[in-house]
Amino acid sequence: SYELTQPPSVSVSPGQTASITCSGDKLGDKYVSWYKQKPGQSPVLVIYRDNKRPSGIPERLSGSNSGNTATLTISGAQAMDEADYYCQAWDSRTVVFGGGTKLTVL
Amino acid sequence: QVQLQESGPGLVKPSETLSLTCTVSGGSISNFYWSWIRQIPGKGLEWIGYIHNSGSTNYNPSLKSRVTISVDTSKSQFSLKLTSVTAADTAVYYCARADSGSDATSHPYYYMDVWGKGTTVTVSS
Repeated sequence: SYELTQPPSVSVSPGQTASITCSGDKLGDKYVSWYKQKPGQSPVLVIYRDNKRPSGIPERLSGSNSGNTATLTISGAQAMDEADYYCQAWDSRTVVFGGGTKLTVL
Repeated sequence: QVQLQESGPGLVKPSETLSLTCTVSGGSISNFYWSWIRQIPGKGLEWIGYIHNSGSTNYNPSLKSRVTISVDTSKSQFSLKLTSVTAADTAVYYCARADSGSDATSHPYYYMDVWGKGTTVTVSS
């Protein structure tokens, strides 16, 4: 079965840029989505089809996908960005999630 | 805007069947995929399966033998049944709406743009 690998944690200082990676075999050939989840809340879609933002998602969040790695980039990180982030891909008509990355802003 | 609400028992006994319903309000149940996802406390997201309003389904291979997802378009609801549950099935269960298709180059996509608030199900005697 297809697997997506994320780093368990990423730290960033306020105002700096955070990059969260998601790796999988030939991931660049698939569309990737990203979800943000705060404690006790349901996930929220923040990026879909590699680099598209749903309405209401700030331009500070961006996505890219090439080769074996997709990246969620958060520019000018703020305290409100602190959350768990999950990547997701679509493989053989099944949904695959990465293990999640805890982003700490400190 | 579209809202999803999970409902069902919060406590299920081991070996019994977990049954949950997701009610869709504020929009049509047609032309979308409808998924169930779960999250064991402190762990990541696990996709359980999806159904299209046409009735086509697909399930996580690791759960496929125990899962059934159905849809009732007249009630704007879709449901999850998970049989022979154990403590390992204790989790928060989410329903979600998914958009799926192919782009101009036939490149398929699937993403979940609306999620319910989730419901906690505990498996215990």
